[in-house]
Amino acid sequence: DGGITQSPKYLFRKEGQNVTLSCEQNLNHDAMYWYRQDPGQGLRLIYYSQIVNDFQKGDIAEGYSVSREKKESFPLTVTSAQKNPTAFYLCASSMEVDTGELFFGEGSRLTVL
Amino acid sequence: GQSLEQPSEVTAVEGAIVQINCTYQTSGFYGLSWYQQHDGGAPTFLSYNALDGLEETGRFSSFLSRSDSYGYLLLQELQMKDSASYFCAVNRGSTLGRLYFGRGTQLTVWP
Repeated sequence: DGGITQSPKYLFRKEGQNVTLSCEQNLNHDAMYWYRQDPGQGLRLIYYSQIVNDFQKGDIAEGYSVSREKKESFPLTVTSAQKNPTAFYLCASSMEVDTGELFFGEGSRLTVL
Repeated sequence: GQSLEQPSEVTAVEGAIVQINCTYQTSGFYGLSWYQQHDGGAPTFLSYNALDGLEETGRFSSFLSRSDSYGYLLLQELQMKDSASYFCAVNRGSTLGRLYFGRGTQLTVWP
């Protein structure tokens, strides 16, 4: 079955540690995205990539980094510079056609202790 | 600045009809999407309006008025499983990279 796989589902880390969240898709989509969701909040765009080896900052990129070395993979690193990293992180992908549709993974819940 | 306004909560009973409104103010507008998210789950796409008018998909319909910067999601024949958060999202650019989400509306359906 085609879809987006995020791992790990739950992650606990100490303050000051970098963590990397994995996102893999087998939908053959060119575009991939990372969103952050806080309780009672909408989704906020961290980074997006429309093609391999290229990515753009979203609305809240500070303290995060990404790479796009393969079409299928778009890992997100939450660095120690991110002041409030505890959140639900969602990866998504889309076709490069304006249908308004994003396909989301099941999310990774990061808790920084 | 940019803003999307939608009610924080809506309640209704099974079988009823509910309308969730969304007003927006963004730099650039290409279309309005709606997503459903159950607690702790992944958002799933419901509908998209790029042009004015009504789009119908089964029990769900979505409407857009670009001149009023306004849209709504209409849910008919409500079922318990429709209890979820509903988000409107504006596509600010010619690709989906600039999708901007509202804070969501928590819908509770009572038996």
